[in-house]
Amino acid sequence: AQKVTQAQTEISVVEKEDVTLDCVYETRDTTYYLFWYKQPPSGELVFLIRRNSFDEQNEISGRYSWNFQKSTSSFNFTITASQVVDSAVYFCALSVRPLEPGNQFYFGTGTSLTVIP
Amino acid sequence: DADVTQTPRNRITKTGKRIMLECSQTKGHDRMYWYRQDPGLGLRLIYYSFDVKDINKGEISDGYSVSRQAQAKFSLSLESAIPNQTALYFCATRGAAGGTDTQYFGPGTRLTVL
Repeated sequence: AQKVTQAQTEISVVEKEDVTLDCVYETRDTTYYLFWYKQPPSGELVFLIRRNSFDEQNEISGRYSWNFQKSTSSFNFTITASQVVDSAVYFCALSVRPLEPGNQFYFGTGTSLTVIP
Repeated sequence: DADVTQTPRNRITKTGKRIMLECSQTKGHDRMYWYRQDPGLGLRLIYYSFDVKDINKGEISDGYSVSRQAQAKFSLSLESAIPNQTALYFCATRGAAGGTDTQYFGPGTRLTVL
């Protein structure tokens, strides 16, 4: 069975602080994808990143970075020097064997981040 | 223009009414999905479709039905709306070929059932 856990329900930080959002996943498949989505207060879901199970290199995009560790089944998301515009709900998701019939995405319950000015 | 559109964006209705939420996409993806989002519960899958002849129930399909009218269109119906179907509904499309597996979401429909 597949599962994504985001243990942090809500996080508040002061602007310019760094913050890490945790994501732990469960799957027995060796081929899978991991994702992060952002949901700002306006409500839409914005795709941030996709990482496949064969690529454990960390990725950095501006103030955002992602740390993928298969040994701990984690795919954590760090925002450096947080800004008020980063305030949103962030979802982690998992997809396994994407080309097979019946394949689904599995979402965590989300982490609500509030950046205080 | 947005790749995935949903209509209406907001809807208030009464218990027992039939409601249809529509989704259109211009991404050319075969796979389409309907989710609902409730506070603290994240996204839950209602139905999904891998092509126009393929419809599958998700985690919470009771009380809902869908229609895949064309590759680009996927509608969600509530035959007799009830208050606990008040939620934010998202349509999504997905491209899975060529290692590009990603879901892209519409802007959401906020449904309130009184």
